[in-house]
Amino acid sequence: GAGVSQSPSNKVTEKGKDVELRCDPISGHTALYWYRQSLGQGLEFLIYFQGNSAPDKSGLPSDRFSAERTGGSVSTLTIQRTQQEDSAVYLCASSFLRLAGGSIAKNIQYFGAGTRLSVL
Amino acid sequence: TQLLEQSPQFLSIQEGENLTVYCNSSSVFSSLQWYRQEPGEGPVLLVTVVTGGEVKKLKRLTFQFGDARKDSSLHITAAQPGDTGLYLCAGISGTYKYIFGTGTRLKVLA
Repeated sequence: GAGVSQSPSNKVTEKGKDVELRCDPISGHTALYWYRQSLGQGLEFLIYFQGNSAPDKSGLPSDRFSAERTGGSVSTLTIQRTQQEDSAVYLCASSFLRLAGGSIAKNIQYFGAGTRLSVL
Repeated sequence: TQLLEQSPQFLSIQEGENLTVYCNSSSVFSSLQWYRQEPGEGPVLLVTVVTGGEVKKLKRLTFQFGDARKDSSLHITAAQPGDTGLYLCAGISGTYKYIFGTGTRLKVLA
């Protein structure tokens, strides 16, 4: 597709179960971000990928959260032993941003529609 | 920790009214972006402001970056129901990181 695709769009799970959220970025985009958004509020940075590597994982809330990106494309965010406070919308964004040269000010992040996670 | 506070948090106005949304921080940002997000969708970039004091206009929307690059405002003239949504500012920190504001939910009544 032409845009960033996230799946599933909605996920309901029971407390303690593991969940995997998927992000398909725009083809050719080198940078990929995961954010968390609670109750229609601002976005909380979780992790940033440049290619397959994650130079910044500082936003991951706990060691129950992990993410990987393979082939410089698809990324999965995994939450283990989910808790009720993990309920939120998880958004993925991709862009052409490159660390060498260019300006982030000219960078455009393209967001997916998000995965709404509900932990019962 | 860099934080961006937006005000007001909620705003409900009648069609045709003017409004201003504020985005404030104690930190300096190299540039700042504004996004609009509609229900069930991801945020969409509206504008990027780069220079302190810069003013950009996008039809009925006017964006200003503070002289010290710590704050920004979004002014909407003659608001329309189509302007309804969640408005987010995002400060750019370093070479790749975006710090998002707390959000302003705008509802424009016909």
